[in-house]
Amino acid sequence: QSALTQPASVSGSPGQSITISCTGTSSDVGGYNYVSWYQQHPGKAPKLMIYDVNNRPSGVSSRFSGSKSANTASLTISGLQAEDEADYYCGSYRNSGTYVFGTGTKVTVL
Amino acid sequence: EVQLLESGGGLIQPGGSLRLSCAASGFTFSDYAVTWVRQTPGKGLEWVSTISPSGGNTYNADAVKGRFTISRDNSKSTMYLQMNSLRAEDTAVYFCAKVIRGNLVAFDIWGQGTVVTVSS
Repeated sequence: QSALTQPASVSGSPGQSITISCTGTSSDVGGYNYVSWYQQHPGKAPKLMIYDVNNRPSGVSSRFSGSKSANTASLTISGLQAEDEADYYCGSYRNSGTYVFGTGTKVTVL
Repeated sequence: EVQLLESGGGLIQPGGSLRLSCAASGFTFSDYAVTWVRQTPGKGLEWVSTISPSGGNTYNADAVKGRFTISRDNSKSTMYLQMNSLRAEDTAVYFCAKVIRGNLVAFDIWGQGTVVTVSS
């Protein structure tokens, strides 16, 4: 089961906006509106940031937003802050009753 | 407070068996699907298995089919992962997580993880 494709790293300065892509296929990202995004700080458990492509769980900052076009989903972090430095993973339902994560992206705040 | 707490990890020899537990609190456990996700040291997240609220449906990654069995006891608000025929590549931190709704939509509450090391 191949992982969704994400860039290995993305960086930005405080206050800037960055976008992380997540590319899959019509069997996962493109076929369902069940794309989610997770933030993980070193040594910690992942935290859900976005679900159903563009919904934020209660308590997640509005600086985080999600979108999707065809087989590629995106996570945008606006007004980048030092605390946003972490690893980010996308995830998606995949047909045949499975779930797949992305390869992960390390976000660095310069 | 909504919480998940994993236990049962440890060092096990290749070919051995181990059972992980995930104890839930702070929510109605029987209303939600729950899942296991693992993370190899320094690597990414890998979905392992998910079980429906009633336990009637289970979903497994190809990498663990036939070797791992997910189950739950709603009377104890606890989920289990029975791992047999363990291999070195099963070495990872194993997280349990609650599914936000449905069976495989997204995972909104996570435990802190338990470490499984498969080595001779």
